Amino acid sequence: AAGVIQSPRHLIKEKRETATLKCYPIPRHDTVYWYQQGPGQDPQFLISFYEKMQSDKGSIPDRFSAQQFSDYHSELNMSSLELGDSALYFCASSTRQAVNTEAFFGQGTRLTVV
Amino acid sequence: AQTVTQSQPEMSVQEAETVTLSCTYDTSENNYYLFWYKQPPSRQMILVIRQEAYKQQNATENRFSVNFQKAAKSFSLKISDSQLGDTAMYFCASDYGGSQGNLIFGKGTKLSVKP
Repeated sequence: AAGVIQSPRHLIKEKRETATLKCYPIPRHDTVYWYQQGPGQDPQFLISFYEKMQSDKGSIPDRFSAQQFSDYHSELNMSSLELGDSALYFCASSTRQAVNTEAFFGQGTRLTVV
Repeated sequence: AQTVTQSQPEMSVQEAETVTLSCTYDTSENNYYLFWYKQPPSRQMILVIRQEAYKQQNATENRFSVNFQKAAKSFSLKISDSQLGDTAMYFCASDYGGSQGNLIFGKGTKLSVKP
């Protein structure tokens, strides 16, 4: 079965650079969620999209922005990177068209800021 | 504000034995889900089991079962016949208003299964 695809899997950037993380949801899933998991930490919800519109916002820094495109894939754009942005970034997807459906997580993108 | 608390940072269990991981939560939502996720060294987030708050019957998935005490806001995970592959970080989570994707996680419990 198709899963949530995240790219790249690993990314190394320097301070003050920009990074773009991509998420391809499971086919026919209309909702995407982004999470940030720092070293030794629990995942923190950043932002979510439903049908290309932002649906919820969590602890996403102002330096970050995200969007969901017409094909439902989503991109998380991170600017002015800081050392503290080094983390594992998860994307999850689900659909609101089915009742009682869970969200499925991708394998994550490991971002290292040096 | 919603909170999820896991009071056991680390636990260990002998292979084939049973272990229970604790979780308490606080929410103002009327309809919500509770989850246990497993995160092995690969860092993949794997859903172990979920419970809808309206359902009184405790959820079970093979060797995994929960003890859901709604009044006490407690949601513990029991792993029976522990296997070496169960070694992982386990996160308890609660969602907002039934979305199942906007999740608040606990700090996690690192479970080690010993041969």
